Amino acid sequence: NAGVTQTPKFQVLKTGQSMTLQCAQDMNHNSMYWYRQDPGMGLRLIYYSASEGTTDKGEVPNGYNVSRLNKREFSLRLESAAPSQTSVYFCASTPPTGGNLNEQFFGPGTRLTVL
Amino acid sequence: AQSVAQPEDQVNVAEGNPLTVKCTYSVSGNPYLFWYVQYPNRGLQFLLKYITGDNLVKGSYGFEAEFNKSQTSFHLKKPSALVSDSALYFCAVRDGMLTGGGNKLTFGTGTQLKVEL
Repeated sequence: NAGVTQTPKFQVLKTGQSMTLQCAQDMNHNSMYWYRQDPGMGLRLIYYSASEGTTDKGEVPNGYNVSRLNKREFSLRLESAAPSQTSVYFCASTPPTGGNLNEQFFGPGTRLTVL
Repeated sequence: AQSVAQPEDQVNVAEGNPLTVKCTYSVSGNPYLFWYVQYPNRGLQFLLKYITGDNLVKGSYGFEAEFNKSQTSFHLKKPSALVSDSALYFCAVRDGMLTGGGNKLTFGTGTQLKVEL
C-alpha cells in the first residue's frame, strides 16, 4: 500500500492564482481530512469528509473548497490564493474499523508559498 | 468543545536520560487521546492512543503515556532518550461525547524535543 499520497510536494503561487491540492488513499478508509500547519499553531482542520459524498467545514475553512471525488480521493482547492495561505498542507484518513476511535494516517504534505 | 494544550515549545534532554513531553486536555465527555511524532519534512506518524482501560499506554519506539483523569493530563514519556527521538511531538484529543462527523481531532501546538549527546 502507498498509504496517503499528496501532490504536488511543493508549489509557489502568485496572489490571486488558483490551484488544487490532490490527496488519495489506498487503504479503503472512510474519513478524510485536510489540515494546515503553521509555526506555533499546530495543525488546524480546514475541511473533512466523514464518508464518501459528505464534506464539512473545520476550524479554518475560509478561502478553501473541497471535493470528495470518490472513496479514495479528497481534493482541496484554493480559488484565489492569498499570502495568508502560505503553509504546509496535510491530508489524513481514518480506517473504518473500530468506529470513530482510530488514529489518523497522514500524507507527506504539500508546501505552498503564495507570493 | 475539545481543546488540548502543550505548555512547552521545546524540551531539551541528554541522551540516556528520561524524557517527558507534557499535554493537558479539556473535553465535555470522556477523552480519547493521541500522540503523534513529526520528523523534519515528513507527515505525522502515530505513536500511541488512550481510549479506555489501563492508564499507562505503551506505544511505538519505546514511548509510553500516562493518562491522569484528575489532572486532565496525558504526558508522553520515555525511560531513556535517544538522539534519534529528536522531533516535533503533537498531542491530540477527541471528545467522547461527540457523535458522527468522522474522527475529528484537535491538535496541540506541538513540542520540539531535542536530545543531545
